[in-house]
Amino acid sequence: DGGITQSPKYLFRKEGQNVTLSCEQNLNHDAMYWYRQDPGQGLRLIYYSQIVNDFQKGDIAEGYSVSREKKESFPLTVTSAQKNPTAFYLCASSSQTLPGELNEQFFGPGTRLTVL
Amino acid sequence: AQSVTQPDIHITVSEGASLELRCNYSYGATPYLFWYVQSPGQGLQLLLKYFSGDTLVQGIKGFEAEFKRSQSSFNLRKPSVHWSDAAEYFCAVAPYFNTGKLIFGQGTTLQVKP
Repeated sequence: DGGITQSPKYLFRKEGQNVTLSCEQNLNHDAMYWYRQDPGQGLRLIYYSQIVNDFQKGDIAEGYSVSREKKESFPLTVTSAQKNPTAFYLCASSSQTLPGELNEQFFGPGTRLTVL
Repeated sequence: AQSVTQPDIHITVSEGASLELRCNYSYGATPYLFWYVQSPGQGLQLLLKYFSGDTLVQGIKGFEAEFKRSQSSFNLRKPSVHWSDAAEYFCAVAPYFNTGKLIFGQGTTLQVKP
């Protein structure tokens, strides 16, 4: 089955520690995204990547880092610089966008990160 | 700046009743518009999308949405709600079609009474 997997589903971290969230897709999509979800705030874009070895900051990139070494993988690292990291993190992907065309984003099941 | 507003944070309807969830956007041109649904602790699933053409869009699970340019709205409707429709609903706008970036509304939580 094609889709997006995120692991782990639940993650606990001590303050001051970095943690990496996994996102893998087998949809052969070029573009991948990371969102953060907090109650009452909808989804906010952290980082996105339209092609391998390239990525751009979203609206709330501070305290986060990403890499895109493979087309199917887009891991997100939550660093100790992120002041309030407890949240639900969602990964998404979409096929290549041509000028004048937009394709829907497919979402993974999410990872809930809790800082202890 | 581009924005999406869902005025209703929480809505409760009786099973079998009709439903309308509101979405307003702020953008100069006609954006790309989406409605997603999220069950508790899960990812988002696309209900429907509007790019151009017929302003009444049909989606999955019996949902439809109507784009009204004059009101900058894209409201989601369902004629008869089922208990399984209880979830959180997000309206999203893609003003930058060449990046695929989405701007999401705050979400509306739907509760269905038996």
